[in-house]
Amino acid sequence: NAGVTQTPKFQVLKTGQSMTLQCAQDMNHNSMYWYRQDPGMGLRLIYYSASEGTTDKGEVPNGYNVSRLNKREFSLRLESAAPSQTSVYFCASGGTSSAGELFFGEGSRLTVL
Amino acid sequence: TQLLEQSPQFLSIQEGENLTVYCNSSSVFSSLQWYRQEPGEGPVLLVTVVTGGEVKKLKRLTFQFGDARKDSSLHITAAQPGDTGLYLCAGHDYKLSFGAGTTVTVRA
Repeated sequence: NAGVTQTPKFQVLKTGQSMTLQCAQDMNHNSMYWYRQDPGMGLRLIYYSASEGTTDKGEVPNGYNVSRLNKREFSLRLESAAPSQTSVYFCASGGTSSAGELFFGEGSRLTVL
Repeated sequence: TQLLEQSPQFLSIQEGENLTVYCNSSSVFSSLQWYRQEPGEGPVLLVTVVTGGEVKKLKRLTFQFGDARKDSSLHITAAQPGDTGLYLCAGHDYKLSFGAGTTVTVRA
């Protein structure tokens, strides 16, 4: 009963390094999302993918890229990490309901020094 | 500026007390969701309310959607330490917008 799986759970980077956060879901959802969560700011949408083969920018896309590899997998890449990207990142997938409920992974805590 | 404003930001109460968390917006939503997030985990959906004026109960939790579909409240009766967590509301129109959350601590 995996749901949404994210890797890695923790990562420390130096400024300028690159990395990719991986996400996979086993619920056959069409939509997948990447959020970042910062204290006092709630969840902010970075990028989303409404279906396999499509991706769109959210509220805070600068400094990030995404790839919807297939229906199950949606990755988030930081090409040149900056301290402002220190955050907890959550991947989510959406169900078939018109209300848009989301199912979240456990999060990836990223620190950029 | 958050599209959805939650209040209070922090709430600390004794076990057995009641509490209410508010979620307000100037926008109309087609539905509103409440999530609970525990430390080190992702948010988990508690409930979705769709109709203006709707009230849903989940054991000791009561959720209400405002008549105009712009606001919502979460009321917990006889809170328990297991209710501790971050409560997030999220409004859905063509996309989902989250409030900043209310951190609830229930002391034993």
